[in-house]
Amino acid sequence: DTEVTQTPKHLVMGMTNKKSLKCEQHMGHRAMYWYKQKAKKPPELMFVYSYEKLSINESVPSRFSPECPNSSLLNLHLHALQPEDSALYLCASSQNSGANTGELFFGEGSRLTVL
Amino acid sequence: GQNIDQPTEMTATEGAIVQINCTYQTSGFNGLFWYQQHAGEAPTFLSYNVLDGLEEKGRFSSFLSRSKGYSYLLLKELQMKDSASYLCAVRLFSGGYNKLIFGAGTRLAVHP
Repeated sequence: DTEVTQTPKHLVMGMTNKKSLKCEQHMGHRAMYWYKQKAKKPPELMFVYSYEKLSINESVPSRFSPECPNSSLLNLHLHALQPEDSALYLCASSQNSGANTGELFFGEGSRLTVL
Repeated sequence: GQNIDQPTEMTATEGAIVQINCTYQTSGFNGLFWYQQHAGEAPTFLSYNVLDGLEEKGRFSSFLSRSKGYSYLLLKELQMKDSASYLCAVRLFSGGYNKLIFGAGTRLAVHP
């Protein structure tokens, strides 16, 4: 199993809504990542979790709140988003985030539209 | 700051060879990755270099020169399905953790 599964695939929400994006992997990877990708732009790193602890936060606004309940799951809680937050949100995992990370495996992404 | 440069767009003919260049100026360099991304899909891993030299994987090869801050991805025997964006990504090691930072990507169009 070399899959990273993300749900939902599409999400439309208002600026006052609270929603969550979910990500799951069963490859035994101990590092998980959230990236944001706008149209025709590269993925931008948001958060890195290593062994279920938040290790990198790339100065992401607090309206995005990550959570790693266990080594297989990664959530991104969304609250009071702005229309400019509309993007493809990609989850990825790797063996670890230390010196020999290996490649990142990406999920298909959750396409978010904020109205 | 961290800077990764690659051409915005390239075109090539089916069956031909194309080379996509990537230059980088970063601190904490710990490897360079190439990913392929079709429109609306997730990036998929193509190749990885951490030492200088050429890595070959079937129709795809990648080269790295750390002293020059330079890499290229070579695609041989191009097929129509190779039309996609190709992302150069640098792995940076800082504070005990790795993070992967992407260049803007090169959109490759393969024509018959």
